[in-house]
Amino acid sequence: ETGVTQTPRHLVMGMTNKKSLKCEQHLGHNAMYWYKQSAKKPLELMFVYNFKEQTENNSVPSRFSPECPNSSHLFLHLHTLQPEDSALYLCASSQEGPGFTWGEQFFGPGTRLTVL
Amino acid sequence: KNQVEQSPQSLIILEGKNCTLQCNYTVSPFSNLRWYKQDTGRGPVSLTIMTFSENTKSNGRYTATLDADTKQSSLHITASQLSDSASYICVVTPTSGTYKYIFGTGTRLKVLA
Repeated sequence: ETGVTQTPRHLVMGMTNKKSLKCEQHLGHNAMYWYKQSAKKPLELMFVYNFKEQTENNSVPSRFSPECPNSSHLFLHLHTLQPEDSALYLCASSQEGPGFTWGEQFFGPGTRLTVL
Repeated sequence: KNQVEQSPQSLIILEGKNCTLQCNYTVSPFSNLRWYKQDTGRGPVSLTIMTFSENTKSNGRYTATLDADTKQSSLHITASQLSDSASYICVVTPTSGTYKYIFGTGTRLKVLA
C-alpha cells in the first residue's frame, strides 16, 4: 500500500448505529487530518493530529470522536449521526515542522457516508 | 474574513480545447496557494503549489498563475483530455495558523469527446 488509504470506501448506517472510519498513511508523515466534504461546499476541516496529539478541533459535534493511536493511523468513531452528516469524509496527512514549509497535504480516497 | 472563491462553478468543453479556471481570494497574508484536482469519488491530488512570491508554475498541460496584487490565481489547461474531467480546487494557506487551509468550492470541469 502506498500513500493514504481509507476504509471502508462506502458506508450506510442508521442514526442509532455506531461505526468507525479508518485511515492509514504510508508516507512517514507526522500530521493527520479529517475533513468533511458536502456537495457544493468547501472542504471542512474537522480534526488535526500532530505527533499523535490533537491540535485542532474545529467545533465538531461530539457524535464524531477521533482517535490517533500512532502517527500512521487515524480513526473517526461515529455514533447517533444525523442525515445531514451524510458526506464524503476525507483523511489527509502532511509533514510538519522545521524545514517543511509547504505543508502539502496528501489525501486518501475518502469514505462516502450515508446516514438513513 | 478569509475566503476563496472560484469561477465558474462548472464548465463543459470539447476535447482538445483549452480552458482557464479562476480563483479569487481575500486571504492575506498567505504563504502559498495550491491547485488540486479531484476526480469523482476520490481525494484531491495536488497539481501545483506557488508561494506568494511566485507568478507561475507548470505541471505538464496545467499552468497556474498568481497575481498577488489583485489576489487572483488562474489554472490554465491546455489541449484538454477526457481524463481532465474532474473538480479543481484552489486552496490558500494563511501565514498565521498552520492548519487553517482555506478551500474554495471548486470548479467542476467536464470534457466531452
